[in-house]
Amino acid sequence: RKEVEQDPGPFNVPEGATVAFNCTYSNSASQSFFWYRQDCRKEPKLLMSVYSSGNEDGRFTAQLNRASQYISLLIRDSKLSDSATYLCVVNRLSGSARQLTFGSGTQLTVLP
Amino acid sequence: EAQVTQNPRYLITVTGKKLTVTCSQNMNHEYMSWYRQDPGLGLRQIYYSMNVEVTDKGDVPEGYKVSRKEKRNFPLILESPSPNQTSLYFCASSKRPDRTRAYEQYFGPGTRLTVT
Repeated sequence: RKEVEQDPGPFNVPEGATVAFNCTYSNSASQSFFWYRQDCRKEPKLLMSVYSSGNEDGRFTAQLNRASQYISLLIRDSKLSDSATYLCVVNRLSGSARQLTFGSGTQLTVLP
Repeated sequence: EAQVTQNPRYLITVTGKKLTVTCSQNMNHEYMSWYRQDPGLGLRQIYYSMNVEVTDKGDVPEGYKVSRKEKRNFPLILESPSPNQTSLYFCASSKRPDRTRAYEQYFGPGTRLTVT
């Protein structure tokens, strides 16, 4: 089983739609969770951290479910500019360092 | 401007010809890391460094070397590149992770390497 699993998509949605992505992780000791956004052939950039109580940033809402070991990202009122690949990222303990494990990403295309 | 830079951005080389990809950050970050990204496999960590002169293997270190002689620089060395090292490479830096949390990683623009 992969440490971090995501549905690769692609998700094709019309402008204005609400879309949700889920991501599951295997290490119950993980404590830091993130969603990154990656545009085609560009570097990943942090979209938002995910906190235990859930958090919202404008049209984006992130949730964490520790019991089921998954995190989610909800995008409301999708814009064309939201088209990208969304990477779920979880930290894991490795020796003395907490490293990040990246999911393979979920591809989103917002259609006009 | 806070940034991570990588050079070269594109490189085509032949099997066995040693190469170095440079990485530099201006954010005074202690933690630096190299990743490779391949279709369907996501980002996989090659090596990381917690501080100057402190480096450690990630998930896929075979065929790579790194050094951390200065805080801002973290070059990736391929002593004898092979075609299976054809990939998109990213350098990243962040605050030093501790036992309770990891921090946002800032990525360089990527280096697309082709080994023929």
